[in-house]
Amino acid sequence: SQQGEEDPQALSIQEGENATMNCSYKTSINNLQWYRQNSGRGLVHLILIRSNEREKHSGRLRVTLDTSKKSSSLLITASRAADTASYFCATDAPGGYQKVTFGIGTKLQVIP
Amino acid sequence: DTGVSQDPRHKITKRGQNVTFRCDPISEHNRLYWYRQTLGQGPEFLTYFQNEAQLEKSRLLSDRFSAERPKGSFSTLEIQRTEQGDSAMYLCASSLGTGNNSPLHFGNGTRLTVT
Repeated sequence: SQQGEEDPQALSIQEGENATMNCSYKTSINNLQWYRQNSGRGLVHLILIRSNEREKHSGRLRVTLDTSKKSSSLLITASRAADTASYFCATDAPGGYQKVTFGIGTKLQVIP
Repeated sequence: DTGVSQDPRHKITKRGQNVTFRCDPISEHNRLYWYRQTLGQGPEFLTYFQNEAQLEKSRLLSDRFSAERPKGSFSTLEIQRTEQGDSAMYLCASSLGTGNNSPLHFGNGTRLTVT
């Protein structure tokens, strides 16, 4: 079963605009990660935020985490056509090994 | 770091045949995962290895599926008596460490089509 649920499932924006994707999850987590997947390829890790962190930045990416609401958001600023991809949040539960569970993803299209 | 390698990239097989996929993780990575992904969905967890030990197997995996990781290096995923519902992208990922903050490195997957 899939732990996370991304919202929206599809997003289309113009190049230069910001893109915001949200992720909600069900159980407590150790950390939350965001991945990107280009069509027909494997996933690429973008950023990891620990459960005790609230915000993290990496280049044009900004991730927030609200553990009280069990939600996270990924903001891509100044989007480019090359950002067109599917974006997935992934979580792993406390204890045991790092079993990483993915959401269903947000398909982002950036129109040049 | 040559990345995670999966072979083959594509496999077309007839229903009832057996297929085997191979994954070569990043060499120093001790953790290895298999996921299955269908169109429009996120990756679904199938199984996990820490070194050569298979620590968890999803209920998604029927007894037609088996995975191995001999000597804690490469891994194979075998599907016996394939069914059309097995058609999917099979993704392998590896990570390093004993903690819970290691990102997964994915291969480009093996796309299986069962006709």
